[in-house]
Amino acid sequence: AQTVTQSQPEMSVQEAETVTLSCTYDTSESDYYLFWYKQPPSRQMILVIRQEAYKQQNATENRFSVNFQKAAKSFSLKISDSQLGDAAMYFCAYRSATSGTYKYIFGTGTRLKVLA
Amino acid sequence: GAGVSQSPSNKVTEKGKDVELRCDPISGHTALYWYRQSLGQGLEFLIYFQGNSAPDKSGLPSDRFSAERTGGSVSTLTIQRTQQEDSAVYLCASSLFGGSNQPQHFGDGTRLSIL
Repeated sequence: AQTVTQSQPEMSVQEAETVTLSCTYDTSESDYYLFWYKQPPSRQMILVIRQEAYKQQNATENRFSVNFQKAAKSFSLKISDSQLGDAAMYFCAYRSATSGTYKYIFGTGTRLKVLA
Repeated sequence: GAGVSQSPSNKVTEKGKDVELRCDPISGHTALYWYRQSLGQGLEFLIYFQGNSAPDKSGLPSDRFSAERTGGSVSTLTIQRTQQEDSAVYLCASSLFGGSNQPQHFGDGTRLSIL
């Protein structure tokens, strides 16, 4: 069975600085998708960034980028120029690319605090 | 446009009672997911709907949990004979199709408290 581990329950970053959130996963599959979701205090989960395992290039969305290390099964999220609005819980998630598989597996989350 | 709507926002009930949670997905979204988020935990997958059928219900924790979807739209998650360990936030998400290249759009969730 696949697992997703986020070893940092909480992180802090100064406004305008850069922070990296860690995520590791375990799978025997070679084709899958990885995601980072943000959950602000309002509770609504928002997709931040998505990575296909077959792509070597790291995904980037504006200030958000990932460091995808397939062999190490590591998928970290880098937030550049942190803003107060980035404060939230961040969840890493895995989904198999196997046809007929629909289940997403989430980590336990990292709470990010942004200091003014 | 309207997002995923869940009701009620909060529900407090006594142990042993049945509860129904409702999810209104984004119009036209064929895929619908239910998750449970317990305090300090990540999201736990419960069930996936494609249209009105549920090809993956592997996450339902016991036979007290059931879900249905009608008209390819609204879904209800029913918990019978609630227990205190059922206390959690129940999140619903929808996407245009079930493929993993389709982003999930989440509702605000229902916070369920069992006394």
